[in-house]
Amino acid sequence: GAVVSQHPSWVICKSGTSVKIECRSLDFQATTMFWYRQFPKQSLMLMATSNEGSKATYEQGVEKDKFLINHASLTLSTLTVTSAHPEDSSFYICSAEGADLYEQYFGPGTRLTVT
Amino acid sequence: AQSVTQPDIHITVSEGASLELRCNYSYGATPYLFWYVQSPGQGLQLLLKYFSGDTLVQGIKGFEAEFKRSQSSFNLRKPSVHWSDAAEYFCAVDSGGFKTIFGAGTRLFVKA
Repeated sequence: GAVVSQHPSWVICKSGTSVKIECRSLDFQATTMFWYRQFPKQSLMLMATSNEGSKATYEQGVEKDKFLINHASLTLSTLTVTSAHPEDSSFYICSAEGADLYEQYFGPGTRLTVT
Repeated sequence: AQSVTQPDIHITVSEGASLELRCNYSYGATPYLFWYVQSPGQGLQLLLKYFSGDTLVQGIKGFEAEFKRSQSSFNLRKPSVHWSDAAEYFCAVDSGGFKTIFGAGTRLFVKA
């Protein structure tokens, strides 16, 4: 089956530093990847849609200069949280769209803690 | 605007008992509907999906869901719950434009 990985699975960083999270589709090519944010005991909120070779499309209220998304290849998308602050602490989940339209395969998530 | 409502924040079921998790959606056309399960600290796993055709959909782990257009519902069911089913369950709808909208989730507790 389609597998999506994320790295790292958890990260702790100091306030003001930047953190990069990788999302990879391991056994399929993903034209479109999605980045979600999930607060404790809450649902997933779509942050942005990432298409290979083009700029990401950000949801309303998501700061594109703070959450930099790069989708350089059909198997890799990265999310960089720049100048992180404690309020950026969250669970970040990526997903990749498979060949079957409207079906997404989710990564295991990355727990970010900013101190 | 499209929306997904899961009316139950949490549900407790005895092991071996049947389960039904409710999901209602608001969408202008026939939606694409999904149920996902999330274990603590994990990503989401697709249980089943409805695109068209038979309104009773079978999924993995013994789950099924029924699409009822007249009620705008897509409830998830399982005839006999196992302790390993304890998790968070999310109903989702594809709103078009390749955007998936998730419900708030229902946490399932299973008691022995």
